[in-house]
Formats: sequence, C-alpha cells, structure tokens
Amino acid sequence: DMKVTQMPRYLIKRMGENVLLECGQDMSHETMYWYRQDPGLGLQLIYISYDVDSNSEGDIPKGYRVSRKKREHFSLILDSAKTNQTSVYFCASSLRSYEQYFGPGTRLTVL
Amino acid sequence: SQWGEENLQALSIQEGEDVTMNCSYKTYTTVVQWYRQKSGKGPAQLILIRSNEREKRSGRLRATLDTSSQSSSLSITGTLATDTAVYFCATIPHNTNTGKLTFGDGTVLTVKP
Repeated sequence: DMKVTQMPRYLIKRMGENVLLECGQDMSHETMYWYRQDPGLGLQLIYISYDVDSNSEGDIPKGYRVSRKKREHFSLILDSAKTNQTSVYFCASSLRSYEQYFGPGTRLTVL
Repeated sequence: SQWGEENLQALSIQEGEDVTMNCSYKTYTTVVQWYRQKSGKGPAQLILIRSNEREKRSGRLRATLDTSSQSSSLSITGTLATDTAVYFCATIPHNTNTGKLTFGDGTVLTVKP
C-alpha cells in the first residue's frame, strides 16, 4: 500500500520558535517534495530532493531548509518561524517526474 | 479556466450533470496531469495525458490536451456529490528533467446532491 505520511498533522507555534515537519514514504521513491498551500494560491514548491543529501530550491525556499538523510524521510525546518509561514504544508514523493503521491498535510499556525 | 496567475475558479452544479474544467499553460509541455484534492486531504492524481494521445478516458473522466493552444480540459460525466473537490492541472515544462511540477490555481467544484 503506497503511502506518504506526515507528522504532526496540526501544529501551533509562536513566532521565533523553530519548527520541524517530518515526512515519510514507503515506496522507495527517489524524489521528494515540500509544498505549501495557501487559500486561493494553489500549491507552491518549497524544496525538491532528488535523493539523500541532494536537495534543490523550489520556487519559495526563503525561510525554509530541508534535510534528507535517508531515502524514505524528508524533513522541512523553519528556523525562527514567522507569522506569514502559517499555512498547510504538503509532502510528496515520485518515482519519476510524473505521478506525485501526496501526504495528508500539516496545518501549521504561527502566532 | 485556471493557470498560475489566475484566481481560483469555482463551479457549482447539481448531481448528475456533466462538467468540464479547463486549464491553459504558458510553457510548452507534452504531459499534463490532473489532480483532485478533497477537503482536508492531499492532492491525488486522476489522469495523465500525453501530447500523442490528445484524449484519454478513465471511468467517468475524460481529459484532452491541445499542445497547439497550450490547453487541457477535464470532463466528468454524471457527477456525484463525492466529486466535490478542487481540481488542479499540472505540467512539467518540455525538455526539463528537474521533476518540478507547476500546478494551476485549481477549480473548486461543488456538486449538490
């Protein structure tokens, strides 16, 4: 059963705190992604990872960093979170460029 | 229709009606994907169509692709209330191997029972 998991599902943080969002996949996919989704703005790509320690900036990388030490895990880190980073964050994985499998999302609120 | 710089589109129809959603894209592509996102869930791919197919069917879904006008459409026949969701088109620019999909802003479809 192909699956992408995200933890936590809901998170509330104060401005200036650090945030760690975790993503896992059980499909041995090489490529993984982090997106954010805001109302009316669709999905915006933050980072893409082509494999372990092979990461590339997406369209909106500022204020974020990522870590991928194992193929099945991909983390998104917000150092000193800002209120404008309140959003829903999705992780996805794909074997090739085509079908992406998405996780259920993490709803992050930064107060 | 939807694309990156357009506002989110919204459609509201009655169950049983047919619906067509349109998507136009700026950068030439040979593959368009359509995704559906239900409330509170992540997007899931519905159908992928390549330029040499022009039309592709999957159950009640029908996708078309016109590379000359850089547009695609997704039709759903005999809609159900469970088809209520946001529908996105997504493309990868031709001759790139970055794996970066570009998503449209989406069409919000509400199917009333």
